[in-house]
Amino acid sequence: NAGVTQTPKFRILKIGQSMTLQCAQDMNHNYMYWYRQDPGMGLKLIYYSVGAGITDKGEVPNGYNVSRSTTEDFPLRLELAAPSQTSVYFCASKTPGGADTGELFFGEGSRLTVL
Amino acid sequence: KNQVEQSPQSLIILEGKNCTLQCNYTVSPFSNLRWYKQDTGRGPVSLTIMTFSENTKSNGRYTATLDADTKQSSLHITASQLSDSASYICVVLNTGFQKLVFGTGTRLLVSP
Repeated sequence: NAGVTQTPKFRILKIGQSMTLQCAQDMNHNYMYWYRQDPGMGLKLIYYSVGAGITDKGEVPNGYNVSRSTTEDFPLRLELAAPSQTSVYFCASKTPGGADTGELFFGEGSRLTVL
Repeated sequence: KNQVEQSPQSLIILEGKNCTLQCNYTVSPFSNLRWYKQDTGRGPVSLTIMTFSENTKSNGRYTATLDADTKQSSLHITASQLSDSASYICVVLNTGFQKLVFGTGTRLLVSP
């Protein structure tokens, strides 16, 4: 069972470059999320989606964009990379249920360094 | 301010010993509280989910307790194993599933 798959696992970017972090899930979950995890900090929500075609901002959306054309895929786009975006990025999806219920499944993470 | 604080920041115990990790939160209104285990270089994996009406929940050697009145939770690990070495993250859900508040975690090292 693949679950939530993220690519790439590691990436080094130069300041000003752009890239897309890929996230795919095979559990047919409607809810999907992108988080970033900085050293010594709790995970922060960047963007989330409640279904194909629907996305919304989280706590720290600046410098990022997302799209959700299919249930399976939820890519995160970084435009004009900055050193402040150096972080570990996690994609997650949620099992069906009410807004407050459901289990979160996380991917393995994508470690991004911007130099 | 909605916050989740965990203690200790790090902990070293001998294999076979028990330990307890603490989580205090100020998140309000509170919906549920979750504990996750995160191995180094991996994504978090769910251990337990507790609603405000639950006091205790177990998952194998992991037992979580919740006191919604004092806004405190603990995660007790029994008969620790080397594979328990990981970060343990407390997460509190505010109303609306998008408002998860993550603690910074407790890093546990189980030594042989």
